[in-house]
Amino acid sequence: QQQVKQSPQSLIVQKGGISIINCAYENTAFDYFPWYQQFPGKGPALLIAIRPDVSEKKEGRFTISFNKSAKQFSLHIMDSQPGDSATYFCAASYDTGRRALTFGSGTRLQVQP
Amino acid sequence: GAVVSQHPSRVICKSGTSVKIECRSLDFQATTMFWYRQFPKQSLMLMATSNEGSKATYEQGVEKDKFLINHASLTLSTLTVTSAHPEDSSFYICSARNAASQQETQYFGPGTRLLVL
Repeated sequence: QQQVKQSPQSLIVQKGGISIINCAYENTAFDYFPWYQQFPGKGPALLIAIRPDVSEKKEGRFTISFNKSAKQFSLHIMDSQPGDSATYFCAASYDTGRRALTFGSGTRLQVQP
Repeated sequence: GAVVSQHPSRVICKSGTSVKIECRSLDFQATTMFWYRQFPKQSLMLMATSNEGSKATYEQGVEKDKFLINHASLTLSTLTVTSAHPEDSSFYICSARNAASQQETQYFGPGTRLLVL
């Protein structure tokens, strides 16, 4: 059973535009929601993360919006640049001691110049 | 940020041989490391959780006798793919948590590309 659903599967945005990626989760025990960026042939890199006690977190051009009642969270990339072209994964975890991550299916973002 | 390394970055081996992949946390201690497998254009699939000083915890469907995990120190975990076959060809990625900070953050290594001929 997939516990974190991510959409869209792929996204094409013009340079300077806003990229929006959405995720929905099922397990209400989740209490940590990170976003990772992955370039081809590389490991994922942490972009930004949020906990459910806040509704929004911003770091530079990246913003997470969190809706606890809807069990949804999204990543907004402002002023998207060609260098942002990568695959983005949302994830979630809860405190079981080991804190394993459950990943979404990924979104391939292409920012056109 | 914290740095996690993997070695080798890529390996090609013949079917039936064993391959060892190392995962190291370079600037922090990690009581817990995770091993993932990623097929092309797919998400990361958790294979097992590596615990320092104890047996690894394997996800359902992952053969523990085929994917041997050893976490002998707070900075090193190894994954050995035993008797590798072409279907084991994949991108293997490790991650580590900083035990001292008790943060939820996992830092990922650069991955190891395994090709079994």
